[in-house]
Amino acid sequence: GQQLNQSPQSMFIQEGEDVSMNCTSSSIFNTWLWYKQEPGEGPVLLIALYKAGELTSNGRLTAQFGITRKDSFLNISASIPSDVGIYFCAGTTLYGGSQGNLIFGKGTKLSVKP
Amino acid sequence: GAGVSQSPSNKVTEKGKDVELRCDPISGHTALYWYRQRLGQGLEFLIYFQGNSAPDKSGLPSDRFSAERTGESVSTLTIQRTQQEDSAVYLCASSLGSHRSFGSGTRLTVV
Repeated sequence: GQQLNQSPQSMFIQEGEDVSMNCTSSSIFNTWLWYKQEPGEGPVLLIALYKAGELTSNGRLTAQFGITRKDSFLNISASIPSDVGIYFCAGTTLYGGSQGNLIFGKGTKLSVKP
Repeated sequence: GAGVSQSPSNKVTEKGKDVELRCDPISGHTALYWYRQRLGQGLEFLIYFQGNSAPDKSGLPSDRFSAERTGESVSTLTIQRTQQEDSAVYLCASSLGSHRSFGSGTRLTVV
């Protein structure tokens, strides 16, 4: 079946640092989504990408839909403590992502450096 | 309510018992999804309802799992004869278009 590899699995951030994470798929996707999940809550949509090469920003977050349609990355600039949480990429071969077959990565856990 | 509501928020059950999890979607959302999230893992698709169409049950892991939805309202996910491997957070989401909103989940622990 379709696989999504998300990396890194976890990372520690120091306030002010830029953060980068990415996802690669074994097949072509036509929609990429990035979610953030905080403890005890469901995932919340951060950015949606619908077109190969598309670069979209949401505040300090920037995500890109890879030209090959098999990858996407999420960058967080000038991180702050409230950025901690688990970030998930998700993709589907269908356009729009409204159907059930949205495949999720295993997540990147962001924590604050001790 | 304003968001997707799930109940109970936590459920501890004995192995072999049946459990029923409830999801109240956002009013007017025609699509409803159930996912399972094991500890430290991503979301695993279980089942998808869209309006009056036949549900997409392709993600249900075994015949012990079933779900129902009445019209475009409440959905229940039933797990029969629970096993320890069923322990996970069960998330429900609803959508009108392409963006789905998630509930906070039901944390199921099978002991």
